[in-house]
Amino acid sequence: LAKTTQPISMDSYEGQEVNITCSHNNIATNDYITWYQQFPSQGPRFIIQGYKTKVTNEVASLFIPADRKSSTLSLPRVSLSDTAVYYCLVGDIVATGRRALTFGSGTRLQVQP
Amino acid sequence: GAVVSQHPSRVICKSGTSVKIECRSLDFQATTMFWYRQFPKQSLMLMATSNEGSKATYEQGVEKDKFLINHASLTLSTLTVTSAHPEDSSFYICSAEKGAANEKLFFGSGTQLSVL
Repeated sequence: LAKTTQPISMDSYEGQEVNITCSHNNIATNDYITWYQQFPSQGPRFIIQGYKTKVTNEVASLFIPADRKSSTLSLPRVSLSDTAVYYCLVGDIVATGRRALTFGSGTRLQVQP
Repeated sequence: GAVVSQHPSRVICKSGTSVKIECRSLDFQATTMFWYRQFPKQSLMLMATSNEGSKATYEQGVEKDKFLINHASLTLSTLTVTSAHPEDSSFYICSAEKGAANEKLFFGSGTQLSVL
């Protein structure tokens, strides 16, 4: 069901900015783009959501080009505690026949000291 | 933000027994909740959509008689794994939809099920 494509893994060092790009070529007109973070043995945690252009909150920025076929999550100055899996979600048709947010493979970010 | 409570966080049971997992939206009403299953190092797989007051809708390949879902109120959905077997051991996660459909989900903390 996954309608998104992300790099499987990324490595970074503390203090660096990390950009994770997600492709969603078949995004629907009314779909938002939502990013979640997941630590081992925990439920996903909402990071940021956007529809177009740029969105910024206290933890991240989300860049969405005009065609909305991709998006980039930007994490400023990562720390060791940012080591996690990051998922980009858009809508997809599920068994009910309606659209729902579904998970792709995610990006495993490893931050080194 | 919205809070979704899921419990138990961890359960160990014997093969053949049934296990119930609860998912509650604590500060909002959720007409729609979702149940997922996650194996180690893998992504979340949607199992079913739970709608308040109606039958759940299961994704292809998910046995509805094994994974019973009840959504009796706007704040509570339960997943019962019936006659559990070792292959049912997994991490089960629920989410609740707040606001417009397909807009934002809030997740429970997950339940690690181990079937001996």
